[in-house]
Amino acid sequence: DQQVKQNSPSLSVQEGRISILNCDYTNSMFDYFLWYKKYPAEGPTFLISISSIKDKNEDGRFTVFLNKSAKHLSLHIVPSQPGDSAVYFCAASATGNQFYFGTGTSLTVIP
Amino acid sequence: EAQVTQNPRYLITVTGKKLTVTCSQNMNHEYMSWYRQDPGLGLRQIYYSMNVEVTDKGDVPEGYKVSRKEKRNFPLILESPSPNQTSLYFCASSLWSGSRVPYEQYFGPGTRLTVT
Repeated sequence: DQQVKQNSPSLSVQEGRISILNCDYTNSMFDYFLWYKKYPAEGPTFLISISSIKDKNEDGRFTVFLNKSAKHLSLHIVPSQPGDSAVYFCAASATGNQFYFGTGTSLTVIP
Repeated sequence: EAQVTQNPRYLITVTGKKLTVTCSQNMNHEYMSWYRQDPGLGLRQIYYSMNVEVTDKGDVPEGYKVSRKEKRNFPLILESPSPNQTSLYFCASSLWSGSRVPYEQYFGPGTRLTVT
């Protein structure tokens, strides 16, 4: 059973606008969440993370929001750039060594 | 250059023929892990290791073995591959805090395995 879900397989956004990628989880024991970006023919690369004691974490154009009561997190990219076109995975962990990934959302930023 | 390397990058094999996918990192990371990526299922963790001689099962360990005899290497062994193990495999490494706080993982480029 998928404990981390990304219900939107794909998303298209105009360059300069905001991209919002969503992730839902079922396990209330998860207390760390991470976002990874993946380009074709490459391994995923780390983007940003958040601990469950926070509700927001920001790094440049990337902001992650966590709503623990709704078991929902989202990644905001502002402004979106064509180089952001990639597959984005959210991941969750309760133990620090076991990780559960979502199915990914393919983001296309249109110039 | 800090990196995680995997070999081979592509492999086509037949059912039952034992194979090993190697993984090596040059960042002196304690933690290493294997994942498989399948369409519609995302990345799923197979095995992980917190340090030399310390390994544990991930979410989908059936049909796989691992060993961690040296800090830098973490090979994935398929003793009797089957077609349902056809997948894209990723090795990853990170620092290990010894607590519940995870560090970012650095992933290798992937190994595409086809079992016929």
